[in-house]
Amino acid sequence: AQSVTQLGSHVSVSEGALVLLRCNYSSSVPPYLFWYVQYPNQGLQLLLKYTSAATLVKGINGFEAEFKKSETSFHLTKPSAHMSDAAEYFCAVRTTNAGGTSYGKLTFGQGTILTVHP
Amino acid sequence: DTAVSQTPKYLVTQMGNDKSIKCEQNLGHDTMYWYKQDSKKFLKIMFSYNNKELIINETVPNRFSPKSPDKAHLNLHINSLELGDSAVYFCASSLQQWAEAFFGQGTRLTVV
Repeated sequence: AQSVTQLGSHVSVSEGALVLLRCNYSSSVPPYLFWYVQYPNQGLQLLLKYTSAATLVKGINGFEAEFKKSETSFHLTKPSAHMSDAAEYFCAVRTTNAGGTSYGKLTFGQGTILTVHP
Repeated sequence: DTAVSQTPKYLVTQMGNDKSIKCEQNLGHDTMYWYKQDSKKFLKIMFSYNNKELIINETVPNRFSPKSPDKAHLNLHINSLELGDSAVYFCASSLQQWAEAFFGQGTRLTVV
């Protein structure tokens, strides 16, 4: 069964600083990986996705993530944080093989709250 | 135009009542889902339908019954509501079972 671990439930950065949110996954087959953002009292919005093409994936709002198979990681980064980036971020994994009860299931990490200080 | 819409956005009800949450997507997607987000913001899948067929049914009490009248709709009916059912319920859809999911705005259910 697949799983996702997000290291650090809270990350705090200064405006203009690098943002690094960590995600490690476990999957018995090549995964599809996603990062979502959730603003207060809203639904989840897709930031970016990895679907076995380029390992460095660029998303919206200046975010990007790199798939590292050897490290089973998919960390999210942004070179310069903005106040508007303050939100909760979720990493998710989806298995890609047909058959099996986990096929098609999107499994989420526990979330990381990003705080941006002026 | 809203891609995935849920109604109602807020639902406050007493224990023991029966309630429904409706979901519609206008994206032409084949697959729809219900997720539950608890008070610690943990997201867990409850059900998934593909072309109106149930494909994922997690360990959910049978008081919860999804219904998909067509590909664009997936409703969630909950019988005999309990305090522990209080959560935010998200509907989502994806083009196919392996594609990214698009989420609705959520329904905050409070059972008192």
